[in-house]
Amino acid sequence: QSVLTQPPSASGTPGQRVTISCSGGGSNIGRHTVNWYQQLPGTAPKLLIYRNNQRPSGVPDRFSGSKSGTSASLAISGLQSEDEADYYCAAWDDSLNGVVFGGGTKLTVL
Amino acid sequence: QVQLQQWGTGLLEPSETLSLTCAVYGGSFSGFYWTWIRQPPGKGLEWIGEINYDDWGNESRNSTNYNPSLKSRATISGDTSKNQFSLKLSSVTAADTAIYFCARGIIRVSGRFDPWGHGTLVTV
Repeated sequence: QSVLTQPPSASGTPGQRVTISCSGGGSNIGRHTVNWYQQLPGTAPKLLIYRNNQRPSGVPDRFSGSKSGTSASLAISGLQSEDEADYYCAAWDDSLNGVVFGGGTKLTVL
Repeated sequence: QVQLQQWGTGLLEPSETLSLTCAVYGGSFSGFYWTWIRQPPGKGLEWIGEINYDDWGNESRNSTNYNPSLKSRATISGDTSKNQFSLKLSSVTAADTAIYFCARGIIRVSGRFDPWGHGTLVTV
């Protein structure tokens, strides 16, 4: 059972907008910034969003993040087939004194 | 562009010690949080721990930090002369079977890791 809660799956058709939620608590998302990772099949995770809504260089602006209270969301607009991957949220947790991850959301592009 | 290259033993017997090393190329070793993360087959990510070096390449006070769930079996160490850091996990069991990733933590208290190593599958 992960500390951060994500839906196990999400789906959309090409061109559509999809959102993935990440729910936490006062010791993690409520006090710290949220990061999102994309993991393509058979590869290492890649930083997609940091500090709630910042994109690293090279990440398309189709990807956006937001945070409110103890929850965060990742939005993908103009869905493309290459977006099919697992997505993870992560944040520091004061109770653990370490990083906690969501259980991951498998995105399927129909 | 910073790249992480990792290696280590891929097949272990129960009770043995897992040993992995990660080399940092193309960037500074100082001022970052060098981290190990694992992923059991078909499952999610678990933070193992980190080691930090200050901006002068010295191991910071209270430099290592571990996930309590590993019950003191994990040890992370570093070698600034080689720009490498390592993970040892003692008394392994089948529950430790996972892909182990090394990663660079940009700042503490963030969960922001970039880049990641390619991962090493360890089977117990």
